[in-house]
Amino acid sequence: ELKVEQNPLFLSMQEGKNYTIYCNYSTTSDRLYWYRQDPGKSLESLFVLLSNGAVKQEGRLMASLDTKARLSTLHITAAVHDLSATYFCAVDIPPGTYKYIFGTGTRLKVLA
Amino acid sequence: DTGVSQNPRHKITKRGQNVTFRCDPISEHNRLYWYRQTLGQGPEFLTYFQNEAQLEKSRLLSDRFSAERPKGSFSTLEIQRTEQGDSAMYLCASSLVSGDKKNTEAFFGQGTRLTVV
Repeated sequence: ELKVEQNPLFLSMQEGKNYTIYCNYSTTSDRLYWYRQDPGKSLESLFVLLSNGAVKQEGRLMASLDTKARLSTLHITAAVHDLSATYFCAVDIPPGTYKYIFGTGTRLKVLA
Repeated sequence: DTGVSQNPRHKITKRGQNVTFRCDPISEHNRLYWYRQTLGQGPEFLTYFQNEAQLEKSRLLSDRFSAERPKGSFSTLEIQRTEQGDSAMYLCASSLVSGDKKNTEAFFGQGTRLTVV
């Protein structure tokens, strides 16, 4: 059974600090997706990583994909309060179907 | 086009009642997906369509659940004889997967939050 696991599940951090969220998945896939979700809201697409070694950056967030290790990371640089949300990674099986298997989610709280 | 639209946004129903949700995908998107998200969990895949054909149903989709996309445009998700365990956010997404025209991801609607009392 395909599993997508994230750690940590909860993260409380001070503004200005850096941290990394990890996403491991249990099957071969050359693509991975990161989404953000605010409480009671839907999913906002952050990054689409479509190949091994892909790295994308947007503002204070940077995502990377290592398909050989079946690992993606979401790095937060100099966190600000507005980044407080739940972050999900997902793989789609089969690739390109957008039939997502989501990770467990990481609930991030940035303290002022 | 303003994106994937779902109605209603919130629904409170009594146990045992039937409910129906609607999803309008982004125009020209041929694929439409339904997911369920319970509190504190990630979304779980329920079913998806390509045009009007239902391509796959998750084992999570019990016989009380039925989804349709009769004309390949909007879709409905019906839950019969609702149970308290059906309380969740139901998310719809759409994408274009057609030859050379492909999105790189699916786009999500705002969701319908169901509460069964």
